[in-house]
Amino acid sequence: DAKTTQPPSMDCAEGRAANLPCNHSTISGNEYVYWYRQIHSQGPQYIIHGLKNNETNEMASLIITEDRKSSTLILPHATLRDTAVYYCIVRGQGGSEKLVFGKGTKLTVNP
Amino acid sequence: GAVVSQHPSWVICKSGTSVKIECRSLDFQATTMFWYRQFPKQSLMLMATSNEGSKATYEQGVEKDKFLINHASLTLSTLTVTSAHPEDSSFYICSARDSRREWTYNEQFFGPGTRLTVL
Repeated sequence: DAKTTQPPSMDCAEGRAANLPCNHSTISGNEYVYWYRQIHSQGPQYIIHGLKNNETNEMASLIITEDRKSSTLILPHATLRDTAVYYCIVRGQGGSEKLVFGKGTKLTVNP
Repeated sequence: GAVVSQHPSWVICKSGTSVKIECRSLDFQATTMFWYRQFPKQSLMLMATSNEGSKATYEQGVEKDKFLINHASLTLSTLTVTSAHPEDSSFYICSARDSRREWTYNEQFFGPGTRLTVL
């Protein structure tokens, strides 16, 4: 599975949009981009995933560049409860079901 | 969304004893579950893949005789830490996916974790 690169930390003001970038320059055609987050001392929570089209759900939006080498997770109106470590993971269809977690981005939402 | 539970949520044990952790999928069937370990300020590290009705697959460096995994039903996997030592103290997390859903919608759902402290 392709590796991902994320900034170690980011800050965001409460109520503003949080844009979390992820680079996955070695992604292959059948690999999906998944986002999870982990609030302190809890299990990870699934947020969203996509292949090449932009995706939106009740939690976030996922924007994938046309060449698929990077993506951005958008939390449209960040709240204090969104403070967490966000993980971008690339996984291929038909391959291993394993999720390999990198170090993620520690997002801190400030009041 | 689908719910995965873990029991216990925390446990303290003496060195040399064994500890069993349960992982249950509450509203879906899971032929495959995963066990992770997370040390303080580190990311999750996959320990093993638990397969219903067959042997677990362990990641490189994980001792299968120390971390016994049993996946006896479609909704339950157990991890037993045998002869626990202080260095086994960690946050253990399981995950599962709904076996009946198509792969493209097959996100994994995580349990809340079990904090093990070995004295």
